[in-house]
Amino acid sequence: DTEVTQTPKHLVMGMTNKKSLKCEQHMGHRAMYWYKQKAKKPPELMFVYSYEKLSINESVPSRFSPECPNSSLLNLHLHALQPEDSALYLCASSHGQVNQPQHFGDGTRLSIL
Amino acid sequence: GESVGLHLPTLSVQEGDNSIINCAYSNSASDYFIWYKQESGKGPQFIIDIRSNMDKRQGQRVTVLLNKTVKHLSLQIAATQPGDSAVYFCADSYNQGGKLIFGQGTELSVKP
Repeated sequence: DTEVTQTPKHLVMGMTNKKSLKCEQHMGHRAMYWYKQKAKKPPELMFVYSYEKLSINESVPSRFSPECPNSSLLNLHLHALQPEDSALYLCASSHGQVNQPQHFGDGTRLSIL
Repeated sequence: GESVGLHLPTLSVQEGDNSIINCAYSNSASDYFIWYKQESGKGPQFIIDIRSNMDKRQGQRVTVLLNKTVKHLSLQIAATQPGDSAVYFCADSYNQGGKLIFGQGTELSVKP
């Protein structure tokens, strides 16, 4: 079982809906990440938070809005998504940002109708 | 930009044999390397990592080798088991604030 918990496991939404993905870790990690993964492809970095502050945004469209309410939680708010946004969204955490293994959750499988 | 790639997209081995999964990286400044295993329906699972000041690191049934001269990384799995069947990703980082550059992945299939 992973120590990074993501909810929901599956999400189906229309292009006009607003929904949120949630991620939680209790390992005391201070860096948290959002990745997007398409089928049979490697994960692609979207955002990095370090000490609850956004440190990297990989030019992600504004219809994806991250939030880090505290050191254990990471949210990804979704609004007006496109069908091509359908993918597996992975959360990860690590002790620090540099040269530390990132530990992944099992992801949220998102489908946009 | 820099990228980390794998030589083979698929690898099939007999149960009990040793597996070797290869990876090439392009940035000579890369200083951290990591291997993940991803099973169907799950997130990537950390296997082993290595820093650029080392050339070999061993874990339980796994060994990572780093050859900085030719910018090559490999993962060796001893006595491969059916439970090792998965996609394996290598990734590297070069002080980019936590940004890992993933390779395309190798799908390992273990035949009983």
